[in-house]
Amino acid sequence: GAVVSQHPSRVICKSGTSVKIECRSLDFQATTMFWYRQFPKQSLMLMATSNEGSKATYEQGVEKDKFLINHASLTLSTLTVTSAHPEDSSFYICSARGGSNGYTFGSGTRLTVV
Amino acid sequence: AQSVTQPDIHITVSEGASLELRCNYSYGATPYLFWYVQSPGQGLQLLLKYFSGDTLVQGIKGFEAEFKRSQSSFNLRKPSVHWSDAAEYFCAVGAGAAGNKLTFGGGTRVLVKP
Repeated sequence: GAVVSQHPSRVICKSGTSVKIECRSLDFQATTMFWYRQFPKQSLMLMATSNEGSKATYEQGVEKDKFLINHASLTLSTLTVTSAHPEDSSFYICSARGGSNGYTFGSGTRLTVV
Repeated sequence: AQSVTQPDIHITVSEGASLELRCNYSYGATPYLFWYVQSPGQGLQLLLKYFSGDTLVQGIKGFEAEFKRSQSSFNLRKPSVHWSDAAEYFCAVGAGAAGNKLTFGGGTRVLVKP
């Protein structure tokens, strides 16, 4: 079945630094990937839609200069949290459109900014 | 715009008892519907999906769901709950076309009493 690998699973960074999260589709090509943010005990909120070879489409209220998304190949999308602050601490999940199930999710990244 | 409502924030059920989780959606055409399960700190696992055809869908782990267009519902059921079913459950709706995003409900937390 379709597999999406997301790394790192956990990361701790200092305020003001940047963190990159990778999302890879291992056995299928994903022209579209999605990035979600999940606060504790809450649902997934879509941050942006990433399309291979073009600019990402951000949801209303998401700062595109803070959350940089790059989808340079059919199997890799990256989310970079720039100049991270404690309020950016959250659980980030990627999803790739493709495979028999329609959407395949990564295992998530727990970001803690100290 | 599509939307999903899960009316129950949390449900407590005894082990061996039946479980039903409610999901109501809003979408102008025939939706793609999904149920996912999430354990703490983990990504999402697909339980089942409805794209078309038979409105009663069988999934993994003994779960099933029924699509009722007249009620705009896609409720999830399991005849006999196991302690390992304690988790967060999310209903999601997608428009189906390539690249279309999923919209998630708020989630239902299931607690299983011994």
